[in-house]
Amino acid sequence: EVQLVESGGGLVQPGGSLRLSCAASGFTFSTYWMHWVRQAPGKGLVWVSRINTDGRSTSYADYVKGRFTISRDNAKNTMYLQMNSLRAEDTAVYYCARGTSPSTTTPFQHWGQGTLVTVSS
Amino acid sequence: EIVLTQSPDTLSLSPGERATLSCRASQSVTSSYLAWYQQKPGQAPRLLIYGASSRATGIPDRFSGSGSGTDFTLTISRLEPEDFALYYCQQYGTSPWTFGQGTKVEIK
Repeated sequence: EVQLVESGGGLVQPGGSLRLSCAASGFTFSTYWMHWVRQAPGKGLVWVSRINTDGRSTSYADYVKGRFTISRDNAKNTMYLQMNSLRAEDTAVYYCARGTSPSTTTPFQHWGQGTLVTVSS
Repeated sequence: EIVLTQSPDTLSLSPGERATLSCRASQSVTSSYLAWYQQKPGQAPRLLIYGASSRATGIPDRFSGSGSGTDFTLTISRLEPEDFALYYCQQYGTSPWTFGQGTKVEIK
């Protein structure tokens, strides 16, 4: 059974940093692109970032570019999101997600339960 | 980026009725790489439809998707009590991946 478990969320002050983790199990992690998607309280889904299978190719939404860094450790079956210079508008539940197949062009079949990041003083 | 606009924002219907949700893209969606998700309060989204019209594993056949280019539709043929939820469309053919703002299907 595919499982994605996020951790690392919490309360942080504006300008602070946080690192999220997504622990994967039940599939061959190293063969799948992975994504982060966020959802502000009461708002819709917004794609944040993605990483390819070996971690050498990444992309970001414009509003996090230069502040967030996605990475992965295939030996640990874990993906990360390093978030720096956090702003109040980054407050959201952050989900990690995996596609339906190892193809790069797939929808998000599997999601974690999400981890809440709150940016507030 | 491709902007997806869903309509209506809210759909008020009774169990057993047919629901028709629309998703319009600001430019053509590559190869109909359009998906629909259902989300209930406090839960992660669940994939319903991909490739505009293919049902994901385990999704009941009362859910169907159609469309191409810039206009897509999710139809729920007969609403069951568990179908009252939020629905999002997503295009995954062009980076950045984008979602619509959502349509809430509520009990009338």
